Parts: sequence; C-alpha cells; structure tokens
Amino acid sequence: GENVEQHPSTLSVQEGDSAVIKCTYSDSASNYFPWYKQELGKRPQLIIDIRSNVGEKKDQRIAVTLNKTAKHFSLHITETQPEDSAVYFCAATLSGSARQLTFGSGTQLTVLP
Amino acid sequence: DAGVIQSPRHEVTEMGQEVTLRCKPISGHDYLFWYRQTMMRGLELLIYFNNNVPIDDSGMPEDRFSAKMPNASFSTLKIQPSEPRDSAVYFCASSSGTPKSEQYFGPGTRLTVT
Repeated sequence: GENVEQHPSTLSVQEGDSAVIKCTYSDSASNYFPWYKQELGKRPQLIIDIRSNVGEKKDQRIAVTLNKTAKHFSLHITETQPEDSAVYFCAATLSGSARQLTFGSGTQLTVLP
Repeated sequence: DAGVIQSPRHEVTEMGQEVTLRCKPISGHDYLFWYRQTMMRGLELLIYFNNNVPIDDSGMPEDRFSAKMPNASFSTLKIQPSEPRDSAVYFCASSSGTPKSEQYFGPGTRLTVT
C-alpha cells in the first residue's frame, strides 16, 4: 500500500516569511495529492490539491509542486499570516476507484507575529 | 447543504461499555470514510464504503470495532467493548464519484474512555 512521509513535524516562521512543507510517497501509481489544513479542535479541510499530470498549482498565497520522478510533493505558503497557524497534512491516493487517502503525519505550522 | 454531520460531538464512557458513533454524509456522495485521529498515530483510515458496501476495512484495529452503512444517508461505527486506548477523535468523511475525489470531513466525535 501507499506510505506517505511528511517533514518537518513542526515549523515556526515569522509573519510575512514563507513556509515549505515536504512529503514523499511510495506508490508510483498514486496520482492525486491533496493538502489539508486542520485548525485546533476543527476538522481537516482541503486547501489545495494537485494531480499527476500537473507539476505546479497555485492559489493565491499557497502553491503545491509535484515531482513524480522523485515521488515527492511540497506545499509552499508565501507571506504567511497568523491565521495560517495550523496543522497541515499531505495525502496521496489513486484517484480511480480506490479514493482512499493515505495521510502524512502532519506539520504544526506556527506563524509568529 | 449542511455538510457531513456526526453525532455525538463528545462522548465519555467507561471501559467495557458499548459506543456508537453516527454519521450522515453529504447528500449525493457515494463514498464514506471513517478515520481515527490520535497524537501518536495521526490520521488513520479505519474503513470506507462505496454505495453502502464496505470496500476496505483493513484499518479497523480489531474485532471490537464494527461499521455499518444501512443506507446512503447513514453510517455507524461501533466499539464493543470500549477500552481507554480507543480514546481519540473519530472523523467521518464523504466524497462523490467524480474524478476530483475531494473528501469532506465532518466535525468529528471526541471519544474519551475512562
């Protein structure tokens, strides 16, 4: 099955700086890579996703890059704000009939004012 | 749409008792997932259903756990008997049969077994 590793487990940045979270996956057949944000006491919510036919995707201050050869993908947050503080999870799945997500272990991002 | 609905939001029970968690997926979604979240093990998939049929239950920790989906709008996760190590937040999520595959999570049930 799929195995997803996520680094770092904790990340502190100054407000306005950029944050980068990296994930690697094991199953070369995986072709859908979502990122979820979970605020304290809340549910995980999708913030951005990328499919294997795309190398990069941006949505305002967040972007995700995918390197299928190396089997890794990264989340980039620019101009960080205190409200970006949360736990971020990467995940991987075969977006065919399986649809089950394998999650990384999460990164606690703290944006310092 | 109200999103994925879970009940109860909090459950405190004593060891040995039966616990039933409930989930109502988003209308029209044909995939339903049960997850468990703990500090030690992160977010783990327990079981998922497609069109009310269990597809993969390999994540169910042991026979004390069972899940059912009697119809498209309701699912239960039951723990019998419960143990302190079952204490966790249990999330239900649903998704549609479209290629986008986004999973929408419910608010979760925080279970404490004393």
